[in-house]
Order: sequence, then C-alpha cells, then structure tokens
Amino acid sequence: GAVVSQHPSRVICKSGTSVKIECRSLDFQATTMFWYRQFPKQSLMLMATSNEGSKATYEQGVEKDKFLINHASLTLSTLTVTSAHPEDSSFYICSASRTGVGYGYTFGSGTRLTVV
Amino acid sequence: AQSVTQLDSHVSVSEGTPVLLRCNYSSSYSPSLFWYVQHPNKGLQLLLKYTSAATLVKGINGFEAEFKKSETSFHLTKPSAHMSDAAEYFCVVSSSGGSNYKLTFGKGTLLTVNP
Repeated sequence: GAVVSQHPSRVICKSGTSVKIECRSLDFQATTMFWYRQFPKQSLMLMATSNEGSKATYEQGVEKDKFLINHASLTLSTLTVTSAHPEDSSFYICSASRTGVGYGYTFGSGTRLTVV
Repeated sequence: AQSVTQLDSHVSVSEGTPVLLRCNYSSSYSPSLFWYVQHPNKGLQLLLKYTSAATLVKGINGFEAEFKKSETSFHLTKPSAHMSDAAEYFCVVSSSGGSNYKLTFGKGTLLTVNP
C-alpha cells in the first residue's frame, strides 16, 4: 500500500532558528501534498497545498514567509519553519495524494515540534 | 462549501460493547467521506471511505459506516469494542465539485474503552 514517511518525528529547537520537516512518498508519486497543523486535543488544520513543481497554495491566515513549502519532486515535499517561536510549537502532519482528488490520501506519522 | 460535525467530543464504552461515533456533514457537491483514527502522537490511519459506491462501507478492524444521504450522516460503528480501539477518531469530507479537493476534518471524537 501507499506509504508516506515523515521525518523527524520529534524536534526541539531554539527560538529564532529554522527547522525543516520532510515528507516522502515511498512507493508512489505524489502529485499533491498537504501540510496540516494540529494543536493539542484539536482537529487538523490545513496549512497549505503543494503541487510538484509549482508554488504552494496557503490557507488564509498562514504566513507563507514563515512556513516555507517546497515540492521539488514527485516524492518529496518539505516544510521549513523559519525563525521559530514558542507559539509555533505544534504537531505537523503531511499527507500525499496520487491524483489530487478527494480520496486516496495517505498521511505521514507527524512531527512534534517544540520551540524553546 | 463543506463542513463536518462530530456530535460527540468524547465517547466512553466498556470492552465488548458496541461503539457508535456520530458524524453529520454538509456539502455542495457529491461528497467523499472518510473515517480516520489517530493514536497519541501518531499520524492518521484510514479506517474506511465512502466514494459513491455501496452506502454501507466496511473498514479495517471491524469498523463500518453507513452513508445516509437523507440524514446527511456517516456514523461509524463497531459491534464489540476492544481496548486497542481507544484513540481519537476523525470524520472527514471531501467534495469533488469544482476545484475543491480539500479535506475538511471534524473536531474529532475521543473514544475511551473501559475494561
């Protein structure tokens, strides 16, 4: 079956530094990848949608200069949290779709980011 | 526009008893509906999905859900709860109309299974 690998699973960084999270589709080509943020005991909030080779589409209220998304290949998307602050601490999850339609999504295992 | 309402934020059952997690949706187009499960600090695992085929959908781990268009519901059920079923469950809708392929998540239902 479709597998999405997300790395790292946990990261602790200092305020002001940048952190990169990787999302890889291991056995299929992901034309579209999605990045979500999940606050404790809450649902997932879509941050942005990225299509291979083009700029990501950000949801309203998400700072594109702070959350840099790159989808340079059909198997890899990265989310870079720049100049991280404690309020950026959260659980980030990616998902990948083969075709970009509303089914066939596979989720990564998530990244717990703690900014100290 | 599309939305999902999970009617219960927390459901508690005893091991061996039935599970019912309720979900209502709204969608401007023919929806695809999903149930995902999330264990603590883990990603999401697909339990089952409805994509305009049979209205009664069987998923993994003994779960099933019935799509009822007249009631705009997609409730998740399991005849007998197991301790390992304790987790957070999300009902999700996606509409294929226009260019909107985004997933919209419900707020989640925490399932507790008591011994």
